Amino acid sequence: RKEVEQDPGPFNVPEGATVAFNCTYSNSASQSFFWYRQDCRKEPKLLMSVYSSGNEDGRFTAQLNRASQYISLLIRDSKLSDSATYLCVVRGSGNTPLVFGKGTRLSVIA
Amino acid sequence: EAGVTQSPTHLIKTRGQQATLRCSPISGHTSVYWYQQALGLGLQFLLWYDEGEERNRGNFPPRFSGRQFPNYSSELNVNALELEDSALYLCASSFLRGRGQTGELFFGEGSRLTVL
Repeated sequence: RKEVEQDPGPFNVPEGATVAFNCTYSNSASQSFFWYRQDCRKEPKLLMSVYSSGNEDGRFTAQLNRASQYISLLIRDSKLSDSATYLCVVRGSGNTPLVFGKGTRLSVIA
Repeated sequence: EAGVTQSPTHLIKTRGQQATLRCSPISGHTSVYWYQQALGLGLQFLLWYDEGEERNRGNFPPRFSGRQFPNYSSELNVNALELEDSALYLCASSFLRGRGQTGELFFGEGSRLTVL
């Protein structure tokens, strides 16, 4: 089983739509969780951290379910500029590196 | 403030040759990470250096090696290149707060290695 699994997509949605991405991780000892965004032919950039209580940043909401080892990202009112690949990222305990999922591609269409 | 810089941007080599990639972290960052992003495989962790020491290593053969210099810049060396080494090599830096990581990695734009 892969350490971090995501639906590769692509998700093609119209502007204004709400879209949700899911991610599962295999290491139950994982401590930290993030969503990164990677634009085409660009480097990944941190979108948001994911906290146990769930957190929101504008149109973006992240949720964590430790029991199910599941992370989600909800994007409301999609914009054309949201088109990118969204990477689910997990870090285990101690000084372990970040483990990246393969990413889910989103295309927001006018 | 300058971000993470990598060189070269593109590199073309033939099988069996050696490649050297370089990375300068953000000023003040002591940790440097190397990731390989091959087509369809996502980011795979290669190496992590902090304060000049190798902290962790991914599941890659020994022909992938590197080092970190006193100014925190880093070098990734790939010996005996194989066709499947063709990928985007991303360097990232972060600041270790106390004994832990902050979580955010700042990536450079990458070095695209093509092995013919």
